Amino acid sequence: SQQGEEDPQALSIQEGENATMNCSYKTSINNLQWYRQNSGRGLVHLILIRSNEREKHSGRLRVTLDTSKKSSSLLITASRAADTASYFCATPYTGGFKTIFGAGTRLFVKA
Amino acid sequence: DVKVTQSSRYLVKRTGEKVFLECVQDMDHENMFWYRQDPGLGLRLIYFSYDVKMKEKGDIPEGYSVSREKKERFSLILESASTNQTSMYLCASSLEGYNEQFFGPGTRLTVL
Repeated sequence: SQQGEEDPQALSIQEGENATMNCSYKTSINNLQWYRQNSGRGLVHLILIRSNEREKHSGRLRVTLDTSKKSSSLLITASRAADTASYFCATPYTGGFKTIFGAGTRLFVKA
Repeated sequence: DVKVTQSSRYLVKRTGEKVFLECVQDMDHENMFWYRQDPGLGLRLIYFSYDVKMKEKGDIPEGYSVSREKKERFSLILESASTNQTSMYLCASSLEGYNEQFFGPGTRLTVL
């Protein structure tokens, strides 16, 4: 089964609102990564948070990590129509090369 | 600017054909990956390579093979294409195993 599972599966908001997506994982991690995918395109790396970090910011993105709960959240503030995309969390296997991607959250931002 | 390119954006092949999907990265990355992405199933790892001429099976290697003769190039081969291999194929590379991955634009393959 997938290491990372996102919640919700889909989210529809108005431009200017904040969007929060959650990710849960099952085993120990070295880091957790978030990616964006526009329709029909490849994934783009957004942000990486290490297992010893609790929060990280990048522009309008804020990521939190709670290793005790094995969960992470991605917050996009002041959303724009251009943020419409699917968002995936990903966790590299500890000790390995494989990275497990969740099923993704589809975000739709209405102008 | 880092770049991963894939040989085709769209490809249509017939059942039984041999299909080559090529991926090139210009970042001198050690690791390269091939995934397929299907609705409801997310990204699934087909094969990866951590060095030239080295390859490891991912979660769904059946029906696929790979080749990495040069560091920058990683090819995915469908020996005899079947309709259940119709999918979006994504190539990625990373500097080290735990690092973020850089993806190509994807190849949407249709097998008729």
